[in-house]
Amino acid sequence: DTGVSQNPRHKITKRGQNVTFRCDPISEHNRLYWYRQTLGQGPEFLTYFQNEAQLEKSRLLSDRFSAERPKGSFSTLEIQRTEQGDSAMYLCASTPATELFFGEGSRLTVL
Amino acid sequence: AQSVTQPDIHITVSEGASLELRCNYSYGATPYLFWYVQSPGQGLQLLLKYFSGDTLVQGIKGFEAEFKRSQSSFNLRKPSVHWSDAAEYFCAAPNSGGSNYKLTFGKGTLLTVNP
Repeated sequence: DTGVSQNPRHKITKRGQNVTFRCDPISEHNRLYWYRQTLGQGPEFLTYFQNEAQLEKSRLLSDRFSAERPKGSFSTLEIQRTEQGDSAMYLCASTPATELFFGEGSRLTVL
Repeated sequence: AQSVTQPDIHITVSEGASLELRCNYSYGATPYLFWYVQSPGQGLQLLLKYFSGDTLVQGIKGFEAEFKRSQSSFNLRKPSVHWSDAAEYFCAAPNSGGSNYKLTFGKGTLLTVNP
């Protein structure tokens, strides 16, 4: 069990650029979640995969956001045309059942 | 709507003192409840969880929590705080049924420990 791995840990980008984050879940965890956390707030649900199927998306996930989980393994979260309001910590979690195991997060700063 | 409330944004305690962090939930049925801890710049680590049964739950690092249905609370406690406990603490509960255990988090309580 190597834990949930997220890359990159930090990303600084200019407004309007595209960014992509990667999450490698704990192997054999069939469910994967993306959360967003802004300063002073708890994590907020973005989207959820069961294996390769994206089963739920939050209203927070605008059309500039897209997430994939090809072959039910790693997942990517892409943000197109970034805005300053996208600055946040993006957390990935995986689970085989009810307990979520979180990665260390990818912090995005949009200048 | 289902929700989790942490009334205290910031708590300061002295090292060695006891600690209680409050969490209130709003759910119809008996919920699953979780406490997570987050150190600066890090992800979240599960401290403990309540599913059913004994209402006093033991977790890691000497933490415990008690589920009180009558008060809709799931407060986190530790009898003697260590400097390394300084972090942000989040209470959470699932917001969906079925196989999707999407968690709703409270806004967190930041714990400062004075020497």
